Amino acid sequence: GQQVMQIPQYQHVQEGEDFTTYCNSSTTLSNIQWYKQRPGGHPVFLIQLVKSGEVKKQKRLTFQFGEAKKNSSLHITATQTTDVGTYFCAASGGSNYKLTFGKGTLLTVNP
Amino acid sequence: GAVVSQHPSRVICKSGTSVKIECRSLDFQATTMFWYRQFPKKSLMLMATSNEGSKATYEQGVEKDKFLINHASLTLSTLTVTSAHPEDSSFYICSARAGQGRGNTIYFGEGSWLTVV
Repeated sequence: GQQVMQIPQYQHVQEGEDFTTYCNSSTTLSNIQWYKQRPGGHPVFLIQLVKSGEVKKQKRLTFQFGEAKKNSSLHITATQTTDVGTYFCAASGGSNYKLTFGKGTLLTVNP
Repeated sequence: GAVVSQHPSRVICKSGTSVKIECRSLDFQATTMFWYRQFPKKSLMLMATSNEGSKATYEQGVEKDKFLINHASLTLSTLTVTSAHPEDSSFYICSARAGQGRGNTIYFGEGSWLTVV
């Protein structure tokens, strides 16, 4: 099955600094999704990217899908303490939309 | 928005007993639901795909006789951990796929913490 590699595993930043997490696949992805899981919580859907080279923004969050549809990134500008959590990328495949998750990046923000 | 409800949120059971976890899509019909297991500070590991009206599709290495999945209706899937052992203690999460009208978006339940003592 398809695999998605996600780095870094952990990232600690000062409030106000930027943050980026990256996902890579050896195979071309039909789409990629991003989720946020707060400590003790469940994953919450953030966005889905489908088109090659696609860039989407949600306030301070910028999501990119590579031209070859093999990599993706999530960038947060000027982090806030509310951004704390684990960010997962997930690739969807097959007719049943099964998700394969990356290992996640745990973001901690020092106020 | 769409909501997926998972129950119970926390359960403690004795070793050797069975425990059932329910996953319900509250305002949409889900022909496909997924069951995941998550260890502390780890990623989500897909256990099985639950299809309404048919047998679940299990991922490699997941024991189907131990983790029984039943998708009896378009809004309910259940996971039964049979003859539970302490190593089955984990966070179990379900998700449900909404239809084309909602962009096939996948919504997650709140998860269930299982502790086997």
